[in-house]
Amino acid sequence: AQSVTQLGSHVSVSEGALVLLRCNYSSSVPPYLFWYVQYPNQGLQLLLKYTSAATLVKGINGFEAEFKKSETSFHLTKPSAHMSDAAEYFCAVTPNDYKLSFGAGTTVTVRA
Amino acid sequence: GAGVSQSPRYKVAKRGQDVALRCDPISGHVSLFWYQQALGQGPEFLTYFQNEAQLDKSGLPSDRFFAERPEGSVSTLKIQRTQQEDSAVYLCASSGLAGASVTYEQYFGPGTRLTVT
Repeated sequence: AQSVTQLGSHVSVSEGALVLLRCNYSSSVPPYLFWYVQYPNQGLQLLLKYTSAATLVKGINGFEAEFKKSETSFHLTKPSAHMSDAAEYFCAVTPNDYKLSFGAGTTVTVRA
Repeated sequence: GAGVSQSPRYKVAKRGQDVALRCDPISGHVSLFWYQQALGQGPEFLTYFQNEAQLDKSGLPSDRFFAERPEGSVSTLKIQRTQQEDSAVYLCASSGLAGASVTYEQYFGPGTRLTVT
């Protein structure tokens, strides 16, 4: 069975500051990992994905994530937060099949 | 449109009523998924179709929930005798063009927010 833990349900950052969202996973096999973003009253939009190629994955809107097998982590970062980054972020895992397991989400607020 | 669409976007049902939620996946996508997202939570898997075949319905919470995809395109999630605990956002996702490499990447619709009163 696979599962995802997102540390911190809320993160508040200043505009221009580093954004760091933490995700740890458990999986019985090498996983596929995803970060999705959800804006209010909208569906989930894929930010980036790890599919066993490069361990540092670059996504849209300046986000990137690094897969660390030894730490079973897939943390999401962005060097400089923008007001438009305020949203809810979900980490998800699938162990090489179709079913995504999501974390509980982290809400990001950006202070001017 | 190019994305996944869902209708209605909002549905209010009285307890005990039946509801039907529709999903139009991205054209050509083989796989279709339904997820339930309770307030403040991540989405939870409900069921999975490959074309018209329902290959996994392990996430359906009770036999009041039923999903179908009769022609391998549009899907309907039906909830009979709705209960207050059914209140949630129901998300549909699709993926996988026939013959393409498998990426497990799912494209989500905007969801249907169901409120049972």
